[in-house]
Amino acid sequence: ETGVTQTPRHLVMGMTNKKSLKCEQHLGHNAMYWYKQSAKKPLELMFVYNFKEQTENNSVPSRFSPECPNSSHLFLHLHTLQPEDSALYLCASSQGSDSRSPLHFGNGTRLTVT
Amino acid sequence: RKEVEQDPGPFNVPEGATVAFNCTYSNSASQSFFWYRQDCRKEPKLLMSVYSSGNEDGRFTAQLNRASQYISLLIRDSKLSDSATYLCVAEEKSNTGKLIFGQGTTLQVKP
Repeated sequence: ETGVTQTPRHLVMGMTNKKSLKCEQHLGHNAMYWYKQSAKKPLELMFVYNFKEQTENNSVPSRFSPECPNSSHLFLHLHTLQPEDSALYLCASSQGSDSRSPLHFGNGTRLTVT
Repeated sequence: RKEVEQDPGPFNVPEGATVAFNCTYSNSASQSFFWYRQDCRKEPKLLMSVYSSGNEDGRFTAQLNRASQYISLLIRDSKLSDSATYLCVAEEKSNTGKLIFGQGTTLQVKP
């Protein structure tokens, strides 16, 4: 299934680098999300965008900066990250931002911060 | 206390067995609940929603107990392909779409 596509699949970056994660959905959905999945921890919601507007910022540090230019694309800009930010970053989309719309996840970007 | 709590397992069962997972949630205001499945190194996928009256989808049955704030998932006649991590999910507040995930319960079905 290629409904939600994330690039790159893997990323290794130093703490002083700046990089961006990209997500694209081909499902015609109106809501997009960034989640973080660390080893042995539950998925953590980071950001929610509904019709390109940010509706949720779950107390995420400013070194993570989301961008949603349109309903189909979502970016996560990264700068001056810490080693503890190493994790799997999952993008998801849904028809609406209410719970009746199931989440469709991308296959994630595995980020390693050195 | 974790908002959504699950026994991480792993649960090791033989093919054909019946296995049940429980999950507890802390927010009594949560209205919507789900089970997602995540295969190793893959993304989570919705398995089923959980309704107050309980619901069944083939070999899978989900139940909700609001009084005790727990959700269950029953898998009958386990298949090798059922091996995965099962994520319990609760909506933080009604109709916000803000979902709280449990850590997941890992199931290994052996031949």
